[in-house]
Amino acid sequence: DQQVKQNSPSLSVQEGRISILNCDYTNSMFDYFLWYKKYPAEGPTFLISISSIKDKNEDGRFTVFLNKSAKHLSLHIVPSQPGDSAVYFCAASGNQFYFGTGTSLTVIP
Amino acid sequence: NAGVTQTPKFQVLKTGQSMTLQCAQDMNHNSMYWYRQDPGMGLRLIYYSASEGTTDKGEVPNGYNVSRLNKREFSLRLESAAPSQTSVYFCASTRSQGWDEQFFGPGTRLTVL
Repeated sequence: DQQVKQNSPSLSVQEGRISILNCDYTNSMFDYFLWYKKYPAEGPTFLISISSIKDKNEDGRFTVFLNKSAKHLSLHIVPSQPGDSAVYFCAASGNQFYFGTGTSLTVIP
Repeated sequence: NAGVTQTPKFQVLKTGQSMTLQCAQDMNHNSMYWYRQDPGMGLRLIYYSASEGTTDKGEVPNGYNVSRLNKREFSLRLESAAPSQTSVYFCASTRSQGWDEQFFGPGTRLTVL
């Protein structure tokens, strides 16, 4: 049973526009959420995180929003760049980490 | 500073063979993890070690064993490989015993025929 879901397997965005990646979770006990970025043939790398006591965290072009009532988080990338093309995983932690299935982002020059 | 290293990078096994995947980190992290990544399934936790000397099961531990050899090294063993264990395996580590940002290795691509 998938506790963290990323319902969009892929997303294409024009360079310079906003990319919005979405993630839903089912367990209200999750208290920490993270986004990872993964290039082919490499391990995931940490991008940004948010605690359940916050609803927004920003780091440069990346912003994560958390809506606890909807059990939903999103990652906004503004402006999108071709180097952002990768697979993005969201993850949630409770007693252990649970990862979503990933969204493949393509930024078109 | 190499971060998290994994060996081998690729491996092909026949059903029933055994092998050990090696993982080492040089960041003085306390906690280490083994994940598998399958198409459409994301990353699933196999086993983790919150600190040296301890190991615990994750979401999908069946068919695997682990050893936390010392603070740096955490190995994953397949005693009798099955085709269902064909996957990409990632090792990760974190600074603290809590659920902190994880640093991942480059992965091992395992095929079981």
